[in-house]
Amino acid sequence: DIQMTQSPSSLSASVGDRVTITCQASQDISNYLNWYQQKPGKAPKLLIYHESILHTGVPSRFSGSGSGTDFTFNISSLQPEDIATYYCQQFDNLPYTFGQGTKLEIK
Amino acid sequence: QVQLQESGPGLVKPSQTLSLTCTVSAGSISSGNYYWSWIRQHPGKGLEWIGYIYYSGSTYYNPSLKSRVTISVDTSKNQFSLKLSSVTAADTAVYYCAREGDPAAMAPHAFDSWGQGTMVSVSS
Repeated sequence: DIQMTQSPSSLSASVGDRVTITCQASQDISNYLNWYQQKPGKAPKLLIYHESILHTGVPSRFSGSGSGTDFTFNISSLQPEDIATYYCQQFDNLPYTFGQGTKLEIK
Repeated sequence: QVQLQESGPGLVKPSQTLSLTCTVSAGSISSGNYYWSWIRQHPGKGLEWIGYIYYSGSTYYNPSLKSRVTISVDTSKNQFSLKLSSVTAADTAVYYCAREGDPAAMAPHAFDSWGQGTMVSVSS
């Protein structure tokens, strides 16, 4: 299985800050990577698919980049409603695997 | 806007079979273009993909669970189901059903719609 490693595991930032989360794959996955947002008690929501494509209705402050084994997820200006846990997920190889998550909190 | 809803017992005894159903509304499972997955999340932990079924009935299961998992589809009811046999406490988790676009879908190979999740506890 492809291992997905996110960093940091948790992050505290202020409203308006730029936030960066990284995701590293254990092998080359090209750009076959998705990002999800999960709020407490809720199901995950798709934010970005195929490394950098914003899903319908997702604010433009969210972005993704990268290829190969190293990927980055950014929030350009953190909003209070962005408090959540974020997961990357690879779809290069079955079984699909997720990162362990990055919990984002407001400072 | 497609909606997914999980249903099934919230408590299962060790060694028994966990059975869940996902009902899809505002969209047809048999219309194609989508895989239908089960994903679980252990309490306070990350996400684990269990497997999927295509509308044609073809399946793929996570090798870590393959010996115990069966996913089936009932297109007449617009439902797909999960059976996980010989459960232990390690199978206690929130179970989600989710839709994944195939290569022809708008968001290919991404889980673009999820059920709300159902908590299943394994305990005697």
